[in-house]
Amino acid sequence: GIQVEQSPPDLILQEGANSTLRCNFSDSVNNLQWFHQNPWGQLINLFYIPSGTKQNGRLSATTVATERYSLLYISSSQTTDSGVYFCAVELRDNYGQNFVFGPGTRLSVLP
Amino acid sequence: NAGVTQTPKFRVLKTGQSMTLLCAQDMNHEYMYWYRQDPGMGLRLIHYSVGEGTTAKGEVPDGYNVSRLKKQNFLLGLESAAPSQTSVYFCASSYAGLAGTYSYNEQFFGPGTRLTVL
Repeated sequence: GIQVEQSPPDLILQEGANSTLRCNFSDSVNNLQWFHQNPWGQLINLFYIPSGTKQNGRLSATTVATERYSLLYISSSQTTDSGVYFCAVELRDNYGQNFVFGPGTRLSVLP
Repeated sequence: NAGVTQTPKFRVLKTGQSMTLLCAQDMNHEYMYWYRQDPGMGLRLIHYSVGEGTTAKGEVPDGYNVSRLKKQNFLLGLESAAPSQTSVYFCASSYAGLAGTYSYNEQFFGPGTRLTVL
């Protein structure tokens, strides 16, 4: 089956620093999403990004589907950015569609 | 819109007991999903449904059953709970369509159900 890897597994930043999170996947996929799981366990949609680049405030994402990776950029990090960041890729099987999640990057932003 | 809701939020079961988790969405989405998340791990797909009356197995379906009798609801059942099923369960839904040359299938998640099996 498809393998989804995320790096780094853990990241500690000082408030105000920038960071880049990476998601690699082993096979072609239809689509890709980035999520933030906050310390209360809630999953928050960040980007739906099958290809190209999107920006939303201090966050931006780039997916290069032909090279099988996606990057999430966080600029001027804040303590509220802490949590776990997941990428999820969409497979398409004979019946329908389903997603495979990466193991996540745990981000801690220190004041 | 309430989005995706899950009932209950917390539950403690004894080994061998049964229970049903309810997921409801008010976004008229065709696709619905059940995932489990174990400590320190990503989400793993249990079952999913691409429409009313249809279900399919995901990555970890053993020990679970599902039903999609109504478009807005997706039920996850545990017939005989085991300690290995202690986890946080997330439901998601999505609208699938076309956006240019790509299929569009953005998932939206519920708040989760924390289940403990003793």
